[in-house]
Amino acid sequence: EAGVVQSPRYKIIEKKQPVAFWCNPISGHNTLYWYRQNLGQGPELLIRYENEEAVDDSQLPKDRFSAERLKGVDSTLKIQPAELGDSAVYLCASSFPSTADTQYFGPGTRLTVL
Amino acid sequence: AQSVAQPEDQVNVAEGNPLTVKCTYSVSGNPYLFWYVQYPNRGLQFLLKYITGDNLVKGSYGFEAEFNKSQTSFHLKKPSALVSDSALYFCAVRSPNAGNMLTFGGGTRLMVKP
Repeated sequence: EAGVVQSPRYKIIEKKQPVAFWCNPISGHNTLYWYRQNLGQGPELLIRYENEEAVDDSQLPKDRFSAERLKGVDSTLKIQPAELGDSAVYLCASSFPSTADTQYFGPGTRLTVL
Repeated sequence: AQSVAQPEDQVNVAEGNPLTVKCTYSVSGNPYLFWYVQYPNRGLQFLLKYITGDNLVKGSYGFEAEFNKSQTSFHLKKPSALVSDSALYFCAVRSPNAGNMLTFGGGTRLMVKP
């Protein structure tokens, strides 16, 4: 069974530039999550989707971050414009919708903003 | 608000010796508890979880964890450590009272020396 797929794996951009990350969840997983992991810390949730609906985006900095999951499968997370402090690993995870279900993570995208 | 504490930034153990990685949590209601491992430049890999039932949970690669409700702990253990167990370990908690939000600890680096 294929796991969560993310691309790109690495991205280096200048500050004020836009950047986008793509995620393809495990087949059949209705719930999709985007996390940000700063160096030496645990992941922090940015947004959670149930199918195509964003049901928890309270931690998403909406002035510069946006996300979409138009058909309830793949998802894209965008930052525009990027700031130096956005340098981090962006992780995508997916699961079935129950609270007890395990979240499975992709390999992440390491973003460096110069 | 729910939270997770991993009091040790790093745990050092000799190969073949037992290991323990500590985790305590704070949550409203019954907790769902998870352990993940992260190898360099990789996403988080699920090890085990406690939802209900037996307090001792067995997971992947010989790891196990014990849920202790009175001490609000969920320590990760392995009877005999391998050098290949060296990685970053994250404890996480989720509560039905907080929807599907998974809160991670800050991580503990496990170093197993030959």
